[in-house]
Amino acid sequence: AQKITQTQPGMFVQEKEAVTLDCTYDTSDPSYGLFWYKQPSSGEMIFLIYQGSYDQQNATEGRYSLNFQKARKSANLVISASQLGDSAMYFCAMRELGFGNEKLTFGTGTRLTIIP
Amino acid sequence: NAGVTQTPKFRVLKTGQSMTLLCAQDMNHEYMYWYRQDPGMGLRLIHYSVGEGTTAKGEVPDGYNVSRLKKQNFLLGLESAAPSQTSVYFCASSYGPYQPQHFGDGTRLSIL
Repeated sequence: AQKITQTQPGMFVQEKEAVTLDCTYDTSDPSYGLFWYKQPSSGEMIFLIYQGSYDQQNATEGRYSLNFQKARKSANLVISASQLGDSAMYFCAMRELGFGNEKLTFGTGTRLTIIP
Repeated sequence: NAGVTQTPKFRVLKTGQSMTLLCAQDMNHEYMYWYRQDPGMGLRLIHYSVGEGTTAKGEVPDGYNVSRLKKQNFLLGLESAAPSQTSVYFCASSYGPYQPQHFGDGTRLSIL
């Protein structure tokens, strides 16, 4: 079974609108972390935001927020007031925190295109 | 402000050739990782290291070897390159297992 599922291969959003990128995950580990990364066309991977499974509040970093719904196992990324520079691939990733689980498991990504 | 530096950025190999990809980080991170990224897929972990002198297998280790002789360097080797190893390779590092990973710019490797 997929550990990280991103169901939106591509999205087109008007500039200045808010956008939600979906991410669902599957784990039986009570301790885990969820990450979002941005990959522009230039290819580098840029860390955006992190949410721990025991965090009481949703994470926020500037225009990025993570809508964490633990019971539904979803960790959607919300970008407020989108900008042209937000056009990129976005990857959701999970880190299970048990011994031997040092890796991040990545989803297949969502390509976001901001329309002027 | 280098962060994570990967060398080379591009390389073309013939089947059966060998090569080594170098990753260097200047953030004093303990953990280092090698991933590969293929079209339509997220990153998959090849090997990782939790400290100088240690290495461990990731999700797709076959055909690759690694070494971490110095804390700041993590080398990925292909002993006998195969076309299936054509990919973009990313190195990453982090302070610990629960901290965000910082990525290099990637190495685009083509095996003919």
